[in-house]
Amino acid sequence: DAGVTQSPTHLIKTRGQHVTLRCSPISGHKSVSWYQQVLGQGPQFIFQYYEKEERGRGNFPDRFSARQFPNYSSELNVNALLLGDSALYLCASSFLNGVGQDYEQYFGPGTRLTVT
Amino acid sequence: AQSVTQLGSHVSVSEGALVLLRCNYSSSVPPYLFWYVQYPNQGLQLLLKYTSAATLVKGINGFEAEFKKSETSFHLTKPSAHMSDAAEYFCAVSRMDSSYKLIFGSGTRLLVRP
Repeated sequence: DAGVTQSPTHLIKTRGQHVTLRCSPISGHKSVSWYQQVLGQGPQFIFQYYEKEERGRGNFPDRFSARQFPNYSSELNVNALLLGDSALYLCASSFLNGVGQDYEQYFGPGTRLTVT
Repeated sequence: AQSVTQLGSHVSVSEGALVLLRCNYSSSVPPYLFWYVQYPNQGLQLLLKYTSAATLVKGINGFEAEFKKSETSFHLTKPSAHMSDAAEYFCAVSRMDSSYKLIFGSGTRLLVRP
């Protein structure tokens, strides 16, 4: 089975621009999470979506938004890019158990965003 | 609030030596705990997880970790390091009531000397 896929692999944008990152979860997984990993740090939680609804949000400004589609793929949008948004953006998918808990998140290879 | 502290941003061991990567967590409720590995220019791969079952957890590639509630620790060990173990290792914690939100430590880079 294919793992979590993300596109594009790399992206270079200019300050003030907008960017859209895409993620396809593992087949059968209905939950998608987004994380930001700044160089030299651990990933930070941005969003999780389950069944097209936002299930959780991290401490990120409103410039960050996301959505999930009927096929469970997801987009992360970032408006008005800042230099500090340069990072590896990771998508993870998970399968919820019968009580709504997702023990394991499976990560994609990430999208490396550089803002100049 | 939950947090994770990984002691040592870099750990260097000789091939064949014991690997010990330290992780301490803070959580007001019973936690779920994870270790992930990240190879250069790749995403994260789950090594092992603790979800309130056995306190000694065995993972992939010969790694294991022990949950010690009294010490709020979840250290990762491997009896004998291989060159292929060189990577960045992240400890993460989540809560039962918000299992979707992983809180990561800052990572430990493992260097394996021949």
